[in-house]
Amino acid sequence: GNSVTQMEGPVTLSEEAFLTINCTYTATGYPSLFWYVQYPGEGLQLLLKATKADDKGSNKGFEATYRKETTSFHLEKGSVQVSDSAVYFCALRGYTGNQFYFGTGTSLTVIP
Amino acid sequence: NAGVTQTPKFQVLKTGQSMTLQCAQDMNHEYMSWYRQDPGMGLRLIHYSVGAGITDQGEVPNGYNVSRSTTEDFPLRLLSAAPSQTSVYFCASAGGGGSPLHFGNGTRLTVT
Repeated sequence: GNSVTQMEGPVTLSEEAFLTINCTYTATGYPSLFWYVQYPGEGLQLLLKATKADDKGSNKGFEATYRKETTSFHLEKGSVQVSDSAVYFCALRGYTGNQFYFGTGTSLTVIP
Repeated sequence: NAGVTQTPKFQVLKTGQSMTLQCAQDMNHEYMSWYRQDPGMGLRLIHYSVGAGITDQGEVPNGYNVSRSTTEDFPLRLLSAAPSQTSVYFCASAGGGGSPLHFGNGTRLTVT
């Protein structure tokens, strides 16, 4: 079946540090992959996406590359800011299109 | 473009009361779904629909009903509220193919 495994948190970084949040998946066929961000008291917002192998999604300085050989979609940012403090969710959409699968979320706190 | 609209934003119920959480989307998405989010539990799928007239159960459907009479609307009914249903509820919709889920801002429900 399909599933998403995400790095456990919480993660605390100093401002301008490098961020990596690991995400691996199990899926039949060719899923689409997503990262969502949830700020305190808000809903989930799409951060970036990739729909086929070797695609790189990017947005607001965040990047993730769809790696089929390692079944991974790790989120990276070169220099985090205090405003990046949020919970990050990795997710996939199965190839049939009728199911979404989410990781458990990783809480990130960036300190000045 | 409003996206996914959920009402109400907050609700307090007494045990045994019933209510309907409203969800509407204006993106002509066929896929709609309801999740609940509890601390430390991530997102759990309650019910979903792949089109008008079609609904199916998710991971935690007990105590909830849904219907999909139009493409735009997907209400969630709590039949007899219980304290275990205290949670934040998110409605989400998606277009076809590898499109991502679009989330509403959530309804925070407390059952006393």
